[in-house]
Amino acid sequence: DTGVSQDPRHKITKRGQNVTFRCDPISEHNRLYWYRQTLGQGPEFLTYFQNEAQLEKSRLLSDRFSAERPKGSFSTLEIQRTEQGDSAMYLCASSSFSGSAYNEQFFGPGTRLTVL
Amino acid sequence: AQSVTQPDIHITVSEGASLELRCNYSYGATPYLFWYVQSPGQGLQLLLKYFSGDTLVQGIKGFEAEFKRSQSSFNLRKPSVHWSDAAEYFCAVGKAAGNKLTFGGGTRVLVKP
Repeated sequence: DTGVSQDPRHKITKRGQNVTFRCDPISEHNRLYWYRQTLGQGPEFLTYFQNEAQLEKSRLLSDRFSAERPKGSFSTLEIQRTEQGDSAMYLCASSSFSGSAYNEQFFGPGTRLTVL
Repeated sequence: AQSVTQPDIHITVSEGASLELRCNYSYGATPYLFWYVQSPGQGLQLLLKYFSGDTLVQGIKGFEAEFKRSQSSFNLRKPSVHWSDAAEYFCAVGKAAGNKLTFGGGTRVLVKP
C-alpha cells in the first residue's frame, strides 16, 4: 500500500493558463475526494466520486473546474483559465466505502498551485 | 449545513506540558467527528475519530478527544507534548459514513523547548 499520490506536487502558472492535476488513490478504494486548502484555512470540499461516478460537486467548483475519474481509478482535476484566486493546495483523498461503516479518508500530499 | 469552529488559531505550549485544542461543531444529527494533523509538506493524517459509543476516544500519538453533545464540542487533548507535535491540527465533521468532510480553520501548535 503506497498511499495516495498526487502529481505534480507544485505547479506555477500564469493567469489564464489551463492546469491539470492527477490523483492516484489507494488501490481498491472506490471513493475519491478533492478538497482545496487556501493559506491559513482548513480544507474545503470540492467534489467526490464513487468509482467513476461523480456524486457531488461543491458550489466552489465553478464552470472553470472539471474533475474526472474515467475508469474508477485515478482522477484528474482541471482548471481552465486560471485566476490568482485559484492559488491554493489541492488535496486528494480516497476511502473504501461499503455503506455499512465509516471508512477513513486517506489524504495525499497535495498539489500546490501558484497562479502569477 | 454543518460547520466547525476552532477558536484558537495559534497555541504555544512548552515541551512536556499538556495540550488541549478546542473544537465546536454545528450539525443537526449525531455527527461523525475527526481530528487530523498536518505537518509541513505532509498530507493530513487522521489522529482519531468518533462515531458513537464511548465519548472519550483514544487516538494515535498519545492523543485523546472527548465528545460532549450538550456543548457541541470535540476537544483534543494530550497530557505531555513532544517537540514533534508541532503542527497544524484540524477538526472535521462528516454527516454520513463515507461522505465529505467539513473542516475547521485549524489550530497551529508551536512547541517551546
